[in-house]
Amino acid sequence: AQSVTQPDIHITVSEGASLELRCNYSYGATPYLFWYVQSPGQGLQLLLKYFSGDTLVQGIKGFEAEFKRSQSSFNLRKPSVHWSDAAEYFCAVGGASGTYKYIFGTGTRLKVLA
Amino acid sequence: DTAVSQTPKYLVTQMGNDKSIKCEQNLGHDTMYWYKQDSKKFLKIMFSYNNKELIINETVPNRFSPKSPDKAHLNLHINSLELGDSAVYFCASSQDGSPSYGYTFGSGTRLTVV
Repeated sequence: AQSVTQPDIHITVSEGASLELRCNYSYGATPYLFWYVQSPGQGLQLLLKYFSGDTLVQGIKGFEAEFKRSQSSFNLRKPSVHWSDAAEYFCAVGGASGTYKYIFGTGTRLKVLA
Repeated sequence: DTAVSQTPKYLVTQMGNDKSIKCEQNLGHDTMYWYKQDSKKFLKIMFSYNNKELIINETVPNRFSPKSPDKAHLNLHINSLELGDSAVYFCASSQDGSPSYGYTFGSGTRLTVV
């Protein structure tokens, strides 16, 4: 069965510290992988996506993610967190073209300490 | 110039009422979606339309009826509202339904049934 797991419900980091949010997936075919961010009271915004090529992908707001097929992981990283990064982060997986829906993880809430 | 706009942003209503949520996108996308986000932030797809044709209809009570008058609009009508319908409902669109493009989300409609 297809699934996405985000093991960390909450993460707290200090401003300026590095960040890594974990995402593991289970998917029969080659997955399309995404990270979205949701600020309070807002919709979800696409941070980055991967579906082929270089396994290290760059996104907006200084985020990057690395696809590791052997570990079925797609972890999100940022070298130096800013207070404005406090939000909920969702990992999602989609299938090959013709499949119209994504499966979302349960989210990781990031808190940033000043 | 909001890309995906939903109205209303907040909706408080009594059990048993019928209500509608409207969604419009000005991106020229072919595919639109309704997602439900529960109190634990879990996102689950409800419906998807591609060029006005229903292509995804998850196990949603038939009290929920989507309508797409054209490919830029996807409305959600809910009959006989129940307490369990309280959630945030997100509209989203994508270029042609291919997961490689990612979604553009609206800012959500918070429905509270009392």
